[in-house]
Amino acid sequence: DQQVKQNSPSLSVQEGRISILNCDYTNSMFDYFLWYKKYPAEGPTFLISISSIKDKNEDGRFTVFLNKSAKHLSLHIVPSQPGDSAVYFCAASALKRAGSYQLTFGKGTKLSVIP
Amino acid sequence: DSGVTQTPKHLITATGQRVTLRCSPRSGDLSVYWYQQSLDQGLQFLIQYYNGEERAKGNILERFSAQQFPDLHSELNLSSLELGDSALYFCASSPHEYNEQFFGPGTRLTVL
Repeated sequence: DQQVKQNSPSLSVQEGRISILNCDYTNSMFDYFLWYKKYPAEGPTFLISISSIKDKNEDGRFTVFLNKSAKHLSLHIVPSQPGDSAVYFCAASALKRAGSYQLTFGKGTKLSVIP
Repeated sequence: DSGVTQTPKHLITATGQRVTLRCSPRSGDLSVYWYQQSLDQGLQFLIQYYNGEERAKGNILERFSAQQFPDLHSELNLSSLELGDSALYFCASSPHEYNEQFFGPGTRLTVL
């Protein structure tokens, strides 16, 4: 049972346009969400996170939106750059769940930014 | 560079064998996490240690075990290896139990 789902395995966007990556979750205990970027032959790199008490968090070109009622979050990258081409993973954790702080990851979305 | 180091980078071994993967967390980080990434799969959480103690267990097989040493480095031991254990194994660290996690470059294990 996949608790964090990224339904789009891949996404292509023109350079300079907006990239929107989506993520859905099923576990209502999740209350902290993160996005990671991964280049080939490297480990995932932390990008941005959001707590469930917020609905938006912004860091430079990256903004994460959280819709708790829909159990949905999205990552917006504006403007997209060729260097953003990577696999993006959505992850969630349940901070309040005693003894269990591990991240649950989606399967990733491969973003290709076309020059 | 995340500051998390993993050795070896690549490991090729045969079925039935035992291997040890090593992880050094970022300086000052007390938590170490192990993840497995198989082909077409996302990152699967295996186990977490915090300051030497096991804190959480995920989908870790009984053939696998881990420990965190007093200097905070961690080792993941995989035994009676099967073909299906071939995967990328990532280690991550964080300052506390539930901060953002910082990942190492991974160890690619191939079981022939």
